[in-house]
Amino acid sequence: AQSVAQPEDQVNVAEGNPLTVKCTYSVSGNPYLFWYVQYPNRGLQFLLKYITGDNLVKGSYGFEAEFNKSQTSFHLKKPSALVSDSALYFCAVRDHSGTYKYIFGTGTRLKVLA
Amino acid sequence: SQTIHQWPATLVQPVGSPLSLECTVEGTSNPNLYWYRQAAGRGLQLLFYSVGIGQISSEVPQNLSASRPQDRQFILSSKKLLLSDSGFYLCAWTRGQGVSEQYFGPGTRLTVT
Repeated sequence: AQSVAQPEDQVNVAEGNPLTVKCTYSVSGNPYLFWYVQYPNRGLQFLLKYITGDNLVKGSYGFEAEFNKSQTSFHLKKPSALVSDSALYFCAVRDHSGTYKYIFGTGTRLKVLA
Repeated sequence: SQTIHQWPATLVQPVGSPLSLECTVEGTSNPNLYWYRQAAGRGLQLLFYSVGIGQISSEVPQNLSASRPQDRQFILSSKKLLLSDSGFYLCAWTRGQGVSEQYFGPGTRLTVT
């Protein structure tokens, strides 16, 4: 069965420092991986995805993610955090079992401290 | 460009009352449509998804149902609400072909009293 794990409930980082939000996955076959961000009382916004190709994927708002097949990870990164990056971040994987479902992690709350 | 609408934005309903939440997508055809519930600002629970008109897959039936009467319209319903139905309901769509990201609506905050 496909699954996604976000091991950290919350990540705190100082403004201007690099940030990493972790995600590991378990899929059969090639993974299709996604990151989303959610601000309070809003819907999720798509940040970036890995389908195939370069392991380093660049997305919106200066975010990037590194796909690591050997470690089955897809960590979200940003070189310099902003206070406005504070939000809830979700990793997701597209199900491979013939359905059209997406499996989401439990979310990681990012707090960027001024 | 594509847009997704949800209404109402907020809803307060008594236990035992019916529910109807609506989601519509503009600017695309044959989307896959999804209903999620999010409790306490955390994880997403997939409730239903649809790959075409009249085609509904249920993940957590309970006392909720979904319908897709038109290509770009997805409705979430209940005949009798429970307290546990309170939450933030999100509709999402993806392109019907291939693998694509999901696009989410603004959500409906439902409080059952």
